[in-house]
Amino acid sequence: AQSVSQHNHHVILSEAASLELGCNYSYGGTVNLFWYVQYPGQHLQLLLKYFSGDPLVKGIKGFEAEFIKSKFSFNLRKPSVQWSDTAEYFCAVTPYAGNMLTFGGGTRLMVKP
Amino acid sequence: NAGVTQTPKFRILKIGQSMTLQCAQDMNHNYMYWYRQDPGMGLKLIYYSVGAGITDKGEVPNGYNVSRSTTEDFPLRLELAAPSQTSVYFCATSQWTSGYTDTQYFGPGTRLTVL
Repeated sequence: AQSVSQHNHHVILSEAASLELGCNYSYGGTVNLFWYVQYPGQHLQLLLKYFSGDPLVKGIKGFEAEFIKSKFSFNLRKPSVQWSDTAEYFCAVTPYAGNMLTFGGGTRLMVKP
Repeated sequence: NAGVTQTPKFRILKIGQSMTLQCAQDMNHNYMYWYRQDPGMGLKLIYYSVGAGITDKGEVPNGYNVSRSTTEDFPLRLELAAPSQTSVYFCATSQWTSGYTDTQYFGPGTRLTVL
């Protein structure tokens, strides 16, 4: 079975700082990868996803993630965070042709104004 | 379109009570899921369904039951509630497309406390 690790449980940044959240997965085959975000008091919504093609994918609100197959990683980045990015971020993986997502434990990001 | 709706939003149960968490979707998606979210643990899959009449266990199914009689509805039943079932429960849907499951769309969640 696959697993997902998010090593940063809590991150605190000031506005305009750069962000990188780590995500590593364990699965030997082809995978589909996702980042979801949960803003305070709201439900999860998709930030971006990778299925195939260019390993650098861009999502909403200026976020991007890079799939590095050799490192089993799918790190999330944003060049300059805003206070409104305060949220919990979840990385998730499913085997290609699989029907179940496996989520990481989440990273709580707090952006100080 | 409402998307994915869940009721109730909040509920407090006593140990041993039962309840059903409701989930409905108007997206005509074939896949539906139930997750529980515990602090620091991410989301754990309880049950999922690939279509009406078909359900299967996820990672943490014990203490729960599901049914799927229609495409739209996927209720989650808790029998004999226990404090360990205190959690936030999310329902989600997705569409199986050309051999893989695409983005999951989540409902707003039900916060359940068992005392």
